[in-house]
Amino acid sequence: NAGVTQTPKFQVLKTGQSMTLQCAQDMNHEYMSWYRQDPGMGLRLIHYSVGAGITDQGEVPNGYNVSRSTTEDFPLRLLSAAPSQTSVYFCASSTIGEQYFGPGTRLTVT
Amino acid sequence: AQSVAQPEDQVNVAEGNPLTVKCTYSVSGNPYLFWYVQYPNRGLQFLLKYITGDNLVKGSYGFEAEFNKSQTSFHLKKPSALVSDSALYFCAVRDRASGGSYIPTFGRGTSLIVHP
Repeated sequence: NAGVTQTPKFQVLKTGQSMTLQCAQDMNHEYMSWYRQDPGMGLRLIHYSVGAGITDQGEVPNGYNVSRSTTEDFPLRLLSAAPSQTSVYFCASSTIGEQYFGPGTRLTVT
Repeated sequence: AQSVAQPEDQVNVAEGNPLTVKCTYSVSGNPYLFWYVQYPNRGLQFLLKYITGDNLVKGSYGFEAEFNKSQTSFHLKKPSALVSDSALYFCAVRDRASGGSYIPTFGRGTSLIVHP
């Protein structure tokens, strides 16, 4: 049981490039979410999903897209990277209780 | 709407002393409350939760938290701090009347530093 996995662990992008952060869970959880963590800002919700085929925006969705074609996978797409998207990104999954977090992806946009 | 506040950016305590990390919340209905811990360069780990029932909740690593409905607080406590408890602590709340999103709101985090 791997829990929540995220790839890659580290990534450096140039401004304007696009990429996809991968997230997968093997616990058959309905709910999945993406957060970014910045110093002094805590965790801010980007997008979330309440089941396959259903996604919604969180607090800071601009510049990011998501899709949920299966229960297990919830990729986060950066459409055109900007320096303001330099952050640590966490994926989480849950049922109605506590969330289980992945190890994070540290993204730097130059 | 749901929100949570952690009024202290940093808490310093000596090893062996009791520690408290504060959290207050706001919800329109009744809350689900959570505490998580984050060690450097790691993801968040679940510590404990309040759903219903006893106001004193016990969790991992000797931590406990007290739910106080009248003060809308859910402070994290430990009777005797360890240096290894030094980490970033997050409080989170989810409104039971959230309409089914089941996604909590997190506080900004409190850095706990335990001095030897």
